[in-house]
This record gives sequence, C-alpha cells and structure tokens, in this order.
Amino acid sequence: EIVMTQSPATLSVSPGERATLSCRASQSITNYLAWYQQKPGQAPRLLIYDASTRATGIPARFSGSGSGTEFTLTISSLQSEDFAVYYCQQYSDCPPVTFGQGTRLDIK
Amino acid sequence: QVQLVQSGADVKKPGSSVKVSCKPSGGTFGAYGITWARQAPGQGLEWMGGIIPLFGAQHYAPNFQGRVTISADASTGTAYMDLTSLRSEDTAVYYCAWHDPGRWYFDCWGQGTLVTVSS
Repeated sequence: EIVMTQSPATLSVSPGERATLSCRASQSITNYLAWYQQKPGQAPRLLIYDASTRATGIPARFSGSGSGTEFTLTISSLQSEDFAVYYCQQYSDCPPVTFGQGTRLDIK
Repeated sequence: QVQLVQSGADVKKPGSSVKVSCKPSGGTFGAYGITWARQAPGQGLEWMGGIIPLFGAQHYAPNFQGRVTISADASTGTAYMDLTSLRSEDTAVYYCAWHDPGRWYFDCWGQGTLVTVSS
C-alpha cells in the first residue's frame, strides 16, 4: 500500500499571501494524484486531479505540480474562503486508494 | 450535475451492523464507480472500498476486509455500505463518492452520514 505523507500538519498564512502545501508518496505514483479541500461540516471538494489539472469550477489561484513522489499544491493569493483542511490522494496503485493525513490551513 | 444523497444519521450498539445507502440523482447508475470513505471525529479521510456496478467489481481496503460489504442495486439505483461488528472506533461520518471507473479520484461526494457506536 502506498503511504501518502503531507507537510506541514498546520500552515498559518495571512490573507493575500501564497500558501504552499506538500505531499510525498512512499513510491512513484507518476502523476496520479488528486487534491481535495474540506471545510468543517462539509464533504471534501475535488480541487486538482492528475497532479496539475484543475477540476471544474476551481479558481485559477489553485495550482498543482509535481510527479513521481513529490507534489505541491499552491494557492497563489489566499482568500478568506480558502482556510480549510487539504488532503492529497493517490490513485496510481489502486485499489486501494490512499489519502494523506491532511494539512490544516489557518489564518495568520 | 450528479448529486449523491445518503441515508440519515444512525446510532448503533457495539457488535451490531449498520447499512448506509447512497442514491445518485442524475447520471447513469452503473456507468460510474461508487466509493466509500469515512472520517472519524477530528481525523482524516480513510478509504473503505468501492464498487463499479456495471462490472459488479468490488474492492476493499485491507483494514476493512471481512467486515465491510459494498453493494449496488440497479433496480433502485442505490449503492450500499454494510459494516459489521461495530465498535466505538467506528464512530465516524461515512461518505459515498462517485468516480469514472478508470479514474479513482472523486469529483462528486454525498453529504455524509454520521454513524455513532455507543452502548
């Protein structure tokens, strides 16, 4: 089973600044990586798939990059609605799919 | 746009079973995969398993093998997740999600169903 490790666990950033979240796979997953945003009391929302393709309706300030084992989600200019928990998920060697443990993005 | 509607919250005793339903509205049932994941209070997402109704193929996470059954009823267009031998650690929000059969990322999620296991 592929283990996904996200860092940092918590990231504090001011509105308008850039946020960079990391996700590492225990083995190569080429580009089979998705990112989700989850707000309290809500279901996850797909942001990015295939490591860098934005899902329908996702603002351009969200971008994904990386391949192999190292991946990054960048939010270029944080808006108030972006403060949430973010998860990465691999779908290379699946099933099973596996999620990272999440990064909480807090307002600084 | 597909919407997934799940059954309501439930409270169960330890050792019992729970069955959660997930009904897509819109889209063609069976042409997509349905997966189940859960989230314990304050914790992350944990994939449990999935089914592709068109192929009848079921897949389960190792942690749940033998305790979870995922099924789909084409006549009612409903998917189900059945978890047995419940324990307090199974208290969680259970989500269904929809995906392209060949692409295991999830672009449509149900609203979630809280299952509480308590004596």
